[in-house]
Amino acid sequence: EPEVTQTPSHQVTQMGQEVILRCVPISNHLYFYWYRQILGQKVEFLVSFYNNEISEKSEIFDDQFSVERPDGSNFTLKIRSTKLEDSAMYFCASSEFVRGNTEAFFGQGTRLTVV
Amino acid sequence: DQQVKQNSPSLSVQEGRISILNCDYTNSMFDYFLWYKKYPAEGPTFLISISSIKDKNEDGRFTVFLNKSAKHLSLHIVPSQPGDSAVYFCAASAPGYTGNQFYFGTGTSLTVIP
Repeated sequence: EPEVTQTPSHQVTQMGQEVILRCVPISNHLYFYWYRQILGQKVEFLVSFYNNEISEKSEIFDDQFSVERPDGSNFTLKIRSTKLEDSAMYFCASSEFVRGNTEAFFGQGTRLTVV
Repeated sequence: DQQVKQNSPSLSVQEGRISILNCDYTNSMFDYFLWYKKYPAEGPTFLISISSIKDKNEDGRFTVFLNKSAKHLSLHIVPSQPGDSAVYFCAASAPGYTGNQFYFGTGTSLTVIP
């Protein structure tokens, strides 16, 4: 069964360092997302991506964040200068359709710990 | 701004009984609703969805009910099994208005007691 894969599963980084979280969405999906979940809190939307550009982004997704689809399979989230409060589980997701009712399929997540 | 709310952080049910998980929303533009299940250290797994044109959708042991006037939906699991123990997230979207992003509730942790 097709699945969304994320690497690494756990990333520890020093405050102020740059991190890149990687995702391989399901191959025929067109719409990609990043969500995050701070421990004990709700799953929060960060950004969605379609046709090689950002479609929507939340207030969380400030200038420290960027996304890229460097090739036909990978979808990355970069945090330029990490802060302690960036520590969270980051989930990548993809969905098949651009518009309309469709579910998103999530990866297993990357646990980011900023120390 | 919590647009999707799950007011019960946890629920315990005996095996074989019905589990009812509740969700409320505030944005009347939401027209597509989903339930996700999440095990520890895993990503959310899609469970079942419902469009606003329906008031019920059933898939095996799982049934989702939508009450648009009350802005309320619920997930019924019958019969509950120990393997159903997980955190359940309600999510909503308004594809025609806010794009494809999903707004999640804070989750309800379900424990099914053998």
